[in-house]
Parts: sequence; C-alpha cells; structure tokens
Amino acid sequence: NAGVTQTPKFQVLKTGQSMTLQCAQDMNHEYMSWYRQDPGMGLRLIHYSVGAGITDQGEVPNGYNVSRSTTEDFPLRLLSAAPSQTSVYFCASSPNAARNPMNTEAFFGQGTRLTVV
Amino acid sequence: AQSVTQPDIHITVSEGASLELRCNYSYGATPYLFWYVQSPGQGLQLLLKYFSGDTLVQGIKGFEAEFKRSQSSFNLRKPSVHWSDAAEYFCAVGRQAGTALIFGKGTTLSVSS
Repeated sequence: NAGVTQTPKFQVLKTGQSMTLQCAQDMNHEYMSWYRQDPGMGLRLIHYSVGAGITDQGEVPNGYNVSRSTTEDFPLRLLSAAPSQTSVYFCASSPNAARNPMNTEAFFGQGTRLTVV
Repeated sequence: AQSVTQPDIHITVSEGASLELRCNYSYGATPYLFWYVQSPGQGLQLLLKYFSGDTLVQGIKGFEAEFKRSQSSFNLRKPSVHWSDAAEYFCAVGRQAGTALIFGKGTTLSVSS
C-alpha cells in the first residue's frame, strides 16, 4: 500500500524558478490538501480540494497554484520561487466525511523539503 | 475564521508522570478535532479524533482527549509518559469535515528520566 506519495523528497531552487511538487494517492480519497511546515508555526493550509475539478484556498495560498484533474493527483505549483517559500511541504488525503463520518482522517505523505536560495 | 491555540510551546515531563497538553479552538459549528504527533524528521501520525458522540475519546499509544464544548477545548492526556513519547504534538480542527485542517503551532514534549 503506497498511501500518499510525494515527490521529490528534497529540492533546491533558485529565486524566480518555478517547479511542481507532486502528490499522488492510491486510496481513492476525494479530499486532498497541501500544507507547509515552518519552525514555530505548525502546519499551515495552502490549498485544498474536495474532488476532481474543485479547489479552494487555505490560509497561505499566495505564490502557489493547484489543480485537480484526477482523483489521484494534486500537484502544487510554485510559479516564481522566493526564499520565503523555503519550507517542508506536506500533502494529505482523506475520504469524504459526508459519506462516512466515522472514517474521517487525513493521511499524510512524508513531505518535501524545499530550499529556495 | 477557524483557529487553534496550543498555549504551551514546550513541556517537560518526568518519565512515568501524567501529561496534559492543552488545545483551544474557534469554530462555528460542531468541529472535527484531531491530535497528531510528529517525531523529529518524520511525518504526522494521527493519535485520535473527535466529531460527535462520547466526549472522551481514546487513541493510540495510551492517549485520550476530552472535548469540552463550553470551554472550546480538546485537551490531550496520558496517565504515564514514556521516553518514546518525546515528540511534537499538534491539535487541529477540520475546516471542511476531515480535510483542510487548521493546525495549532504545536507543543514540544520532552521527557526527563
């Protein structure tokens, strides 16, 4: 069981470069979300999706784009990387709680450590 | 807007002593509440969750949490702490049921011998 797979695990970017962080899940979950973790700040929600074709902004969406063309994938795009985007990024997926509230739980990937120089 | 406050940044507990980590939330409706644990360099592991029913919920590794609506709190407890419990603990509320989590800033637990 792969669960939630994030690639790459580590990345170094130069300021102004663009890149896409990949996230894939094989649990047929409808919900997916992206977070960034910074020391002393906990995890902060960037964007989330409740199904293919549906996305919404979280707490810190600026500088990031997402799309959800399939149930399995939820890529996060950095359009023009800035040093302030140096962070550890986590992707998570969860089943639709409306279908089964007892089963609601977010499953997290192992994270991508991004450094912008 | 939803928010989660964990008032204690760092707590040190002696091995074998009891533990309580505090969590207060702000949410308009009945919240989905979660506690996660993260060991250094690792991902997040769910300890327990609450969305309805019995306000005292049991989780893994001997942890429990009590939901108190009147105090907007969801404190995590363990009767006897083990050295392996040293980690960072995060409380979270689901902005959209079980997804789109809003996290507190975390509490780092150290265990002394």
